[in-house]
Amino acid sequence: GAGVSQTPSNKVTEKGKYVELRCDPISGHTALYWYRQSLGQGPEFLIYFQGTGAADDSGLPNDRFFAVRPEGSVSTLKIQRTERGDSAVYLCASSSRGGAGYEQYFGPGTRLTVT
Amino acid sequence: RKEVEQDPGPFNVPEGATVAFNCTYSNSASQSFFWYRQDCRKEPKLLMSVYSSGNEDGRFTAQLNRASQYISLLIRDSKLSDSATYLCVVNIDNFGNEKLTFGTGTRLTIIP
Repeated sequence: GAGVSQTPSNKVTEKGKYVELRCDPISGHTALYWYRQSLGQGPEFLIYFQGTGAADDSGLPNDRFFAVRPEGSVSTLKIQRTERGDSAVYLCASSSRGGAGYEQYFGPGTRLTVT
Repeated sequence: RKEVEQDPGPFNVPEGATVAFNCTYSNSASQSFFWYRQDCRKEPKLLMSVYSSGNEDGRFTAQLNRASQYISLLIRDSKLSDSATYLCVVNIDNFGNEKLTFGTGTRLTIIP
């Protein structure tokens, strides 16, 4: 079946602009995660949704970052007033349910470049 | 101290050789452990879970030592296709926290 999809695959934006990154999880997966990966680093947790609610947003770096999942399926990560330090690959993952030991399947990521 | 630490490498290993990676984690409350593989400019993919009793999947063997808080991955008879970055991953399931914590990854290149 279809895996996790993310759009756009690449996004170039100017410093100070607003961007939205979209994630389509695997159908039926209730848990959805956003991570950010900088060059030479492992992915870093941002936020976790169980259904429609954000169960853990402790990884969001500051209040410029916000994510929603209004219908418990597609999620959008929103970044306001982008800064050059926001440049990274933003990865989305989903699993059949949240919980230790449940495999997380990653999407191909959105490469964000802030100029 | 980082929550998950790995030697970033690179490890350059001849085809057919055996290679081992270690990883240490700092939180003794960690519940689940994994090795993920990430190819260049691709997403991470689960290679194998790591169980307390140790587990093997073909040429790959993973071990967990809770007392010393380290995880290992052994690759036998390495293939050119094993060239990738190997990410050590820990799930610190405190109070329902489901996030994965990744190491920086160990880069492996298999040389013909």
